[in-house]
Amino acid sequence: KAGVTQTPRYLIKTRGQQVTLSCSPISGHRSVSWYQQTPGQGLQFLFEYFSETQRNKGNFPGRFSGRQFSNSRSEMNVSTLELGDSALYLCASSVSEGNYGYTFGSGTRLTVV
Amino acid sequence: GESVGLHLPTLSVQEGDNSIINCAYSNSASDYFIWYKQESGKGPQFIIDIRSNMDKRQGQRVTVLLNKTVKHLSLQIAATQPGDSAVYFCAENWAQNAGGTSYGKLTFGQGTILTVHP
Repeated sequence: KAGVTQTPRYLIKTRGQQVTLSCSPISGHRSVSWYQQTPGQGLQFLFEYFSETQRNKGNFPGRFSGRQFSNSRSEMNVSTLELGDSALYLCASSVSEGNYGYTFGSGTRLTVV
Repeated sequence: GESVGLHLPTLSVQEGDNSIINCAYSNSASDYFIWYKQESGKGPQFIIDIRSNMDKRQGQRVTVLLNKTVKHLSLQIAATQPGDSAVYFCAENWAQNAGGTSYGKLTFGQGTILTVHP
């Protein structure tokens, strides 16, 4: 059974640009969550999607957005990149929303220069 | 200005010893807790979970203890091996029910670096 797949693995962008990250959940998993991991703040929740709808959102600016497709694949977008957006972005999938275990992908390492 | 990183607690043990990693969680309404292991260059890997109606749960070489009175969680690893070296995170999940739908998110602890010496 394939795990959670995130692409690309590494990305370098320039300040002011925008970026789109992709996540394919485990087959049969309908919930996808996104987390940002930095040395300064640790792992922080960005948002959760279920049935193509954003169900929950963390405390991040509106520059961070996402969406989920009918096949449960998800993308997150960051516009007007700032240096502080450099981080490991992790996607996690779960069978359903709410109170279930989450399986994480290996993440996308974003560097903003 | 200069960014200040998290100063993660560290635990160093000898191979074969038992390890205990502790975690204090923040939300007394959290009803589901998970321990994750993260190795360098990888995403967090599920180790074991426990629901709030339990005090203890055992897996293979691992045991999680939950003390809701003091909002404390611990992970015990028996016969620790060099391959157990990693950063360990506890996470709490609080599922809010609204209109028959559950909204959950994981809130992670800062992590503990475990180093196992051969």
